[in-house]
Amino acid sequence: QVQVVQSGAEVKKPGASVRVSCRTSGYTFTYYQIHWVRQAPGQGLEWMGIINPKDDWTDYAQNLQGRVTMTTDTSTATVYMELSSLKFEDTAVYYCMRDPGLGRPDTRRNYFDFWGQGTLVTVSS
Amino acid sequence: ESVLTQSPGNLSLSPGERATLSCRASQSFSSNYLAWYQQKPGQAPRLLIFDASSRATGIPDRFSGSASVTDFTLTISRLEPEDSAVYYCQQYHNSPFTFGGGTKVEIK
Repeated sequence: QVQVVQSGAEVKKPGASVRVSCRTSGYTFTYYQIHWVRQAPGQGLEWMGIINPKDDWTDYAQNLQGRVTMTTDTSTATVYMELSSLKFEDTAVYYCMRDPGLGRPDTRRNYFDFWGQGTLVTVSS
Repeated sequence: ESVLTQSPGNLSLSPGERATLSCRASQSFSSNYLAWYQQKPGQAPRLLIFDASSRATGIPDRFSGSASVTDFTLTISRLEPEDSAVYYCQQYHNSPFTFGGGTKVEIK
């Protein structure tokens, strides 16, 4: 069965960087693209970007360009999201999600069928 | 950027009643690229509906979606206690893929 498991909670100071991991299993890793969204406390959902594990193609939300980097490790079927120059307003739960695609590589639907459990990132001085 | 406006913000209904949740888009889609998700407290969202009206795997048939130009609707035909949650719509017609602000459904 498909599983998406994220790393644990992080506390960081303003200006630091954080890296969140997203380990997948139960399917062919390079066939399905991975998105990230975040949810600030008590708020809605904000899409951050997408990565294709087959060729590491990425597309980032414009407001995060220059601060967010998504990478993959095919050997462990893991996706990483790094956010740099952290601000207080980056405090949120970060989720990774699988894109269902069309059942073959290099396809994406841009909605999300399997979600990780979420990782709380707290930015505090 | 496509803006999605959900209404009402809150809905309080009794078990067995019908819930109608609305999601209005700021621009029309040439395709019904809209999904609905359910989020319970402390949990990740769960996919309910994609392509405006297709139920995701394992979703009960009391959940249904419909579309009309820029207006999208999620209907829960017979509410059950476990349907208490926040419901979000999401458009995937164009990037950035945006979400509505959510509708909180409370079961009395």
